[in-house]
Amino acid sequence: AQSVAQPEDQVNVAEGNPLTVKCTYSVSGNPYLFWYVQYPNRGLQFLLKYITGDNLVKGSYGFEAEFNKSQTSFHLKKPSALVSDSALYFCAVRDIETAGNKLTFGGGTRVLVKP
Amino acid sequence: NAGVMQNPRHLVRRRGQEARLRCSPMKGHSHVYWYRQLPEEGLKFMVYLQKENIIDESGMPKERFSAEFPKEGPSILRIQQVVRGDSAAYFCASSSGRQTYEQYFGPGTRLTVT
Repeated sequence: AQSVAQPEDQVNVAEGNPLTVKCTYSVSGNPYLFWYVQYPNRGLQFLLKYITGDNLVKGSYGFEAEFNKSQTSFHLKKPSALVSDSALYFCAVRDIETAGNKLTFGGGTRVLVKP
Repeated sequence: NAGVMQNPRHLVRRRGQEARLRCSPMKGHSHVYWYRQLPEEGLKFMVYLQKENIIDESGMPKERFSAEFPKEGPSILRIQQVVRGDSAAYFCASSSGRQTYEQYFGPGTRLTVT
């Protein structure tokens, strides 16, 4: 079975400071990993994905994430946070060898960027 | 290129009524997924469909819930005899089918059962 853990319910950061949102996963096979962002009363917007190759993945709006196989982690990062980055962030995993195309999501981390 | 479309955006039903949620995938996408999000929780997979076929329904409740994706028209998630516990946001996503491709999500339908 595949699972995702986002250990922090909320992350508070001052505008201009680095932002990190943590994610760890568990799969039987090789993982495909995704980050999505959700603004209030909206659907999820795709940020970035790791499929294979370079462990550092760059995505939309200045976000990046680092895949660490030994630590089974895929933390989301942004060097300098903006107030507009305040939203709910979801990490998701797909284990194609056992779970087909369905995504398993973490519980979400609320990010609050203060001016 | 329009994104994933869902309607209605908000739906209110009394206990015992039926709810029908519609999803039109992105142009060129033939794979549709339904997820449910309870308040302050993550999304839970419900069902994965291709045209005229249910591929994976491992997340669907055994009773009252059904889904279809006909040859023509949108995908439909149907909930019969709704109960208060069905109140949630229901999101549809679509993809082109390649397993490496991300899923694109619609704005969701917020179902309230009174």
